[in-house]
Amino acid sequence: SQQGEEDPQALSIQEGENATMNCSYKTSINNLQWYRQNSGRGLVHLILIRSNEREKHSGRLRVTLDTSKKSSSLLITASRAADTASYFCATDKAGNQFYFGTGTSLTVIP
Amino acid sequence: KAGVTQTPRYLIKTRGQQVTLSCSPISGHRSVSWYQQTPGQGLQFLFEYFSETQRNKGNFPGRFSGRQFSNSRSEMNVSTLELGDSALYLCASSFTPQGGSDTQYFGPGTRLTVL
Repeated sequence: SQQGEEDPQALSIQEGENATMNCSYKTSINNLQWYRQNSGRGLVHLILIRSNEREKHSGRLRVTLDTSKKSSSLLITASRAADTASYFCATDKAGNQFYFGTGTSLTVIP
Repeated sequence: KAGVTQTPRYLIKTRGQQVTLSCSPISGHRSVSWYQQTPGQGLQFLFEYFSETQRNKGNFPGRFSGRQFSNSRSEMNVSTLELGDSALYLCASSFTPQGGSDTQYFGPGTRLTVL
């Protein structure tokens, strides 16, 4: 299976701290995307990084991609209570379906 | 532009019944994908429709089916409901098919409870 795995499964930090979560996948990909899901609701797209990119920024988010290690990381800087959610990585490959990882549950304590 | 909408938002059914869920994609999007999300199994891909044709299908029994209409709206149907079908069913739309380097936009989901 191409399904990714996020690490850690759960993360709890204080407001203002940085949060880092990792995603590993098994086969070559075209792109990797990160999504956020607030409790029991739909997924919100955060950022897309292509296989030929190594790093991408969007506001307080920084995503890195290491295709040689088949891994990606999502860094949220200066976290806020509103960042409390589950975060998923998703990979795709030409002609294939999206594969979602298992998710990291982030809790930001005010 | 309006987002992806799903109806109904909540549904309670009993074992053995059937259910139909509806998804309206973002205007102009032709790909609609369905996912089942449960605490134990995470997000699992059900199927994808593009231009009224099923492109991909996940590993679900034949009780799960879907279709897409000419206006890109999609429905999924689950027959002979089982307790294990209780889940959040998410629909996502995109302009190009999956694997086409496109972002999928998700609806709020339908929470199905089977008693």
